[in-house]
Order: sequence, then structure tokens, then C-alpha cells
Amino acid sequence: DAGVIQSPRHEVTEMGQEVTLRCKPISGHDYLFWYRQTMMRGLELLIYFNNNVPIDDSGMPEDRFSAKMPNASFSTLKIQPSEPRDSAVYFCASSPSGTRLYGYTFGSGTRLTVV
Amino acid sequence: QKEVEQNSGPLSVPEGAIASLNCTYSDRGSQSFFWYRQYSGKSPELIMFIYSNGDKEDGRFTAQLNKASQYVSLLIRDSQPSDSATYLCAVRLTGANSKLTFGKGITLSVRP
Repeated sequence: DAGVIQSPRHEVTEMGQEVTLRCKPISGHDYLFWYRQTMMRGLELLIYFNNNVPIDDSGMPEDRFSAKMPNASFSTLKIQPSEPRDSAVYFCASSPSGTRLYGYTFGSGTRLTVV
Repeated sequence: QKEVEQNSGPLSVPEGAIASLNCTYSDRGSQSFFWYRQYSGKSPELIMFIYSNGDKEDGRFTAQLNKASQYVSLLIRDSQPSDSATYLCAVRLTGANSKLTFGKGITLSVRP
């Protein structure tokens, strides 16, 4: 298994531009999570899906952020318009269902820099 | 009080020593506890999980859980320079379904 695949690995964009981050979860995993990591705030959960349905988006900072999961093998996190304070590493993670005792697997992350 | 707290560190130990990493959580009903290791510039990697009071050993790693005191710890025996990383504690809070809440992590440095 190739693991959780994220793209791009690095993204540098100008303030005000739209940014789209992509994630392919591990096949067979029913849960998909989007986290953001910064030095100041650590790992923060933004949103998560179960069977492609958003379950909890309370961590999405504001309306500029949106996430979709059109099918079991693909999810996007979009920021429009982007701002310098959005600069962070964004991780996608997935886990199988029925395994409340287990943690989940992270992708390699996307390092976003907004200038 | 934050939901999951870890001492900010950093923690420095000599090679061969025991490194002790601690984590406290606020939700008494939490059921599952995890330790992730994150090397600089890399993603978090699951190394241990525990859900029963007591100790759980895996090689040089031991996770300890005390639900009454609401803390979970990770012991690394015979620490190696390759253990130098940030260690994240994660807790599945009551009613959180599959969501994990992470501490901010503690950075461990093992001196050769």
C-alpha cells in the first residue's frame, strides 16, 4: 500500500490566491482527516469525513476554508483567498472504521507558504 | 485547561539513558491513547497505543496509563540518537468517535 498520498508537497502562493491541497487516503479507510500544524498551535483538526460525508468541520478557521470528498479515494482542501497566516503544514490522515482503539496514518503533508 | 497537555521541553538525555515523556488529559472518560513520533520535516508516525491502565511494552518503548490520575507516559529505554524527534501524545476523547486530539509535542534530543 502506498499510504496516504498528498499533493503538492510544497506550495508557495501570493496572498489572495486560491490554493487547493489534495489527498488520496489508504484504500479501504472510511475516515479522512485534515490537520494543520504550526509551531504556535501544534496539530489542529480542521475537518473530518466518514464515508465521504463531513462529520465535524468545527475546526475550519473561517469561510475561506472549504473541504470536499467527492469519492472514497480523493479529498481536497481549498483556501480562497489565501492569507499569510494560513502558512503552515497541512496533513491529511486516514483510518479504517470500527477501530476506535487505533490511531491513524498521516500523509507526508503539504507545506504552504503564503507571501 | 487544555484537553491534552505535554511539557513543552525540550528534553535532552545522554545516549543509553531512559527518556520519560509525560502527557496529561482533561477528559476523564477518554478511552484510547496514542504516541506519535515526528522527525523534523516529516509526518507523525504512530509508535504506541494503550487503552488499559498499566504498562504496555514494545521493544525499547513502554507506554504507561493511569486513568485515575489522567496521565499517560512514554518511556524509551537505551535511548539512541535516532530517537531524537518530537513526540506527540494523542487522546480519543469521550464521544469523539474517531477524532484524535493532540498535545503540542515534546522534542527529545539524545546526546551521543
